[in-house]
Amino acid sequence: AQKITQTQPGMFVQEKEAVTLDCTYDTSDPSYGLFWYKQPSSGEMIFLIYQGSYDQQNATEGRYSLNFQKARKSANLVISASQLGDSAMYFCAMREDLTGANNLFFGTGTRLTVIP
Amino acid sequence: DAMVIQNPRYQVTQFGKPVTLSCSQTLNHNVMYWYQQKSSQAPKLLFHYYDKDFNNEADTPDNFQSRRPNTSFCFLDIRSPGLGDAAMYLCATSRDPGSNQPQHFGDGTRLSIL
Repeated sequence: AQKITQTQPGMFVQEKEAVTLDCTYDTSDPSYGLFWYKQPSSGEMIFLIYQGSYDQQNATEGRYSLNFQKARKSANLVISASQLGDSAMYFCAMREDLTGANNLFFGTGTRLTVIP
Repeated sequence: DAMVIQNPRYQVTQFGKPVTLSCSQTLNHNVMYWYQQKSSQAPKLLFHYYDKDFNNEADTPDNFQSRRPNTSFCFLDIRSPGLGDAAMYLCATSRDPGSNQPQHFGDGTRLSIL
């Protein structure tokens, strides 16, 4: 089974609008971390936001917020007030503490295009 | 200021000719990772070092090896590159291997095989 599932290969959003990128995960480990990364066409992988499995509140970092629904095993990324520079590939990733602790499992990514 | 530095950004080598990719970090992190990312795919972990302890993923080909001479540097050696090894190679670091530690990536080295 896939550890991380991103069902949206591509998404479009109008500039200044908000957009939600979906991510679901699969783990039996009670302790894990969820991460979102942005990868522009130039190739670097930029860390955006982190959510721990025991965190009670949703993580926020500037225009990025993570909609963490533990029972549904989802960790959707919300980008508010989209900017042209947000156009990139976005990867959801998970790291487990007890099993595969050193491996960061990535989803297949969602390509976001911001339309002027 | 770049904290994880990969050189070169672009590398071209010939089929079967050994190539080395380098990564350095100024974060003093304990763990360094090498990922392979093929076009339109997710990054795939090849191996990592936790301090001097080397950990190879089970499905990493024998053709790929790594060296970490000190905390700051880590190298990826491809002994006999094949056409299927053309990819982006990403180096990353984390302070520790715990699940709450984000990995910080370099800009990557895009490897082409002629």
